[in-house]
Amino acid sequence: DTEVTQTPKHLVMGMTNKKSLKCEQHMGHRAMYWYKQKAKKPPELMFVYSYEKLSINESVPSRFSPECPNSSLLNLHLHALQPEDSALYLCASSYDQRETQYFGPGTRLLVL
Amino acid sequence: KQEVTQIPAALSVPEGENLVLNCSFTDSAIYNLQWFRQDPGKGLTSLLLIQSSQREQTSGRLNASLDKSSGRSTLYIAASQPGDSATYLCAVRGGIYNQGGKLIFGQGTELSVKP
Repeated sequence: DTEVTQTPKHLVMGMTNKKSLKCEQHMGHRAMYWYKQKAKKPPELMFVYSYEKLSINESVPSRFSPECPNSSLLNLHLHALQPEDSALYLCASSYDQRETQYFGPGTRLLVL
Repeated sequence: KQEVTQIPAALSVPEGENLVLNCSFTDSAIYNLQWFRQDPGKGLTSLLLIQSSQREQTSGRLNASLDKSSGRSTLYIAASQPGDSATYLCAVRGGIYNQGGKLIFGQGTELSVKP
């Protein structure tokens, strides 16, 4: 199984809502990542978890809150987002931080 | 600070043509380099990973080369097909002590293969 799954596929939320994005992999990977991608731009790294501990936070606003409950699961909790946070949110995983990253299909987020 | 550049930004070719996509990076102290493909609105698919000690990797009609000293990589696609139409992204990874080992992406090359 070389698949990273993400739910939901699409999400529309208001600026006062709280929602969560979910990412799951069963490849035994110990590093998991959140990226944000705007149209016609490359992905921008947000967070890296290594062995279930946050190892990189790319100065992301606190309205984005990551969580890694176990080695297979990565969540991104969203609260009080702004319209400019609308983007494709991609999750990725790799055996460790040096190896090939496998990406999920993404969650398309629209903030109204 | 590592910067990755991809040229051209967009490319349109007739079916069957062989083509080369270019990627350059400013800091040669990389751990590896990865080529991805992205279809519109979709996630990234890893195509090839080249470790810093390697010169090239091949998978089917794809061949990627790496010249660390000159800060360049190329992705060669043989006998292009309309199904190859996508955006191709190059990403370099530094060591753990070099920007935390994170992937630094280029802006991508949007490829269109016409039937």
